[in-house]
Amino acid sequence: SQTIHQWPATLVQPVGSPLSLECTVEGTSNPNLYWYRQAAGRGLQLLFYSVGIGQISSEVPQNLSASRPQDRQFILSSKKLLLSDSGFYLCAWSAISEETQYFGPGTRLLVL
Amino acid sequence: DQQVKQNSPSLSVQEGRISILNCDYTNSMFDYFLWYKKYPAEGPTFLISISSIKDKNEDGRFTVFLNKSAKHLSLHIVPSQPGDSAVYFCAARGKYGGATNKLIFGTGTLLAVQP
Repeated sequence: SQTIHQWPATLVQPVGSPLSLECTVEGTSNPNLYWYRQAAGRGLQLLFYSVGIGQISSEVPQNLSASRPQDRQFILSSKKLLLSDSGFYLCAWSAISEETQYFGPGTRLLVL
Repeated sequence: DQQVKQNSPSLSVQEGRISILNCDYTNSMFDYFLWYKKYPAEGPTFLISISSIKDKNEDGRFTVFLNKSAKHLSLHIVPSQPGDSAVYFCAARGKYGGATNKLIFGTGTLLAVQP
């Protein structure tokens, strides 16, 4: 069966510090991968998606970037965090031929 | 512009009764709809979905209804149980989604099932 991992689970970072969140998927090959953010009291906003290694599409202009160095690894990064980057970050995967996305456990990021 | 809307931020229901969660959308090009359940500090869990060529899909206690003319879908949970208490998100996929399967999510409805 497929599983998706995210780490860390919780992160507290000062403003201006760098960020690296990692997501890995097991049990499937060539998945579509997604990064979402859920701000407090709001829905899920798609930040990035990837259909293959090195292929990244950005949905909204922001202070973050994403990379996919391996087939089942998706990384969310920032060079300098802003207060507004605080939120709950979710990674998800889907099979190319399927509509359903499956989410990881999420990372709660607090920027102080 | 919010293409998928969940106008009720919260809903309270008695255990054993029916819970009805609603979702409206504006884009007639959406071809697939999904419902997710989310507990605090956890990732959303897929519940049930429906293709735009259908008007109803049922899975155990969960039924999703789609009214394309009204651009409205609803999730019925019956009977409701305290463990159903969570935030429920509806999501839609556009026909442009293709291989990317991008979804657009609503803002969620917090369901509280009272014992």
